Amino acid sequence: NAGVTQTPKFQVLKTGQSMTLQCAQDMNHEYMSWYRQDPGLGLRLIHYSVGAGITDQGEVPNGYNVSRSTTEDFPLRLLSAAPSQTSVYFCASSLTGAPYNEQFFGPGTRLTVL
Amino acid sequence: EDQVTQSPEALRLQEGESSSLNCSYTVSGLRGLFWYRQDPGKGPEFLFTLYSAGEEKEKERLKATLTKKESFLHITAPKPEDSATYLCAVQEGAAGNKLTFGGGTRVLVKP
Repeated sequence: NAGVTQTPKFQVLKTGQSMTLQCAQDMNHEYMSWYRQDPGLGLRLIHYSVGAGITDQGEVPNGYNVSRSTTEDFPLRLLSAAPSQTSVYFCASSLTGAPYNEQFFGPGTRLTVL
Repeated sequence: EDQVTQSPEALRLQEGESSSLNCSYTVSGLRGLFWYRQDPGKGPEFLFTLYSAGEEKEKERLKATLTKKESFLHITAPKPEDSATYLCAVQEGAAGNKLTFGGGTRVLVKP
């Protein structure tokens, strides 16, 4: 098992550009989510999905879109990048039922918006 | 609104000097409390899940405990390789799998 994979590892964008952060998991997990991690603010939930075709907003969804067409993939789209979106982005996945619902995190994408 | 507060923010220990990290939480109906370890430049790595007050779990030099208002992560006789940021997160019963994280405790163990 590769676990949770994310690409790219690093990305620099100019203000106004769009891009997609990729996330994939090979553990057949129903639940997938995106977090951003900022100094002093910790990890904050952007969007999540409880299964293919089902997505919902987290704590900080503005400026981001997601879709879930397959169980394995959960891409995060930045529509028009802003400097405030400079952050480290983590994708995570889990089963949905306790006691096996611990979330497994990917290695992260470090994004800088100039 | 769920709140999770970790203390201290940073902890410097000598090798072998045991200590405890605190995670206090406010949540209406705890579904689970999770501890993660995060190394610089990497994603959080799962350590423990605790579900009910009084529960304890151990892994090597780490032991996690849970009460109705807080959790402790005890590090016994730490080694330099235990240096990391330790994150606490809670799941509320009505929120499904969503996690609310604390700010973390940075632990540095000096040889």
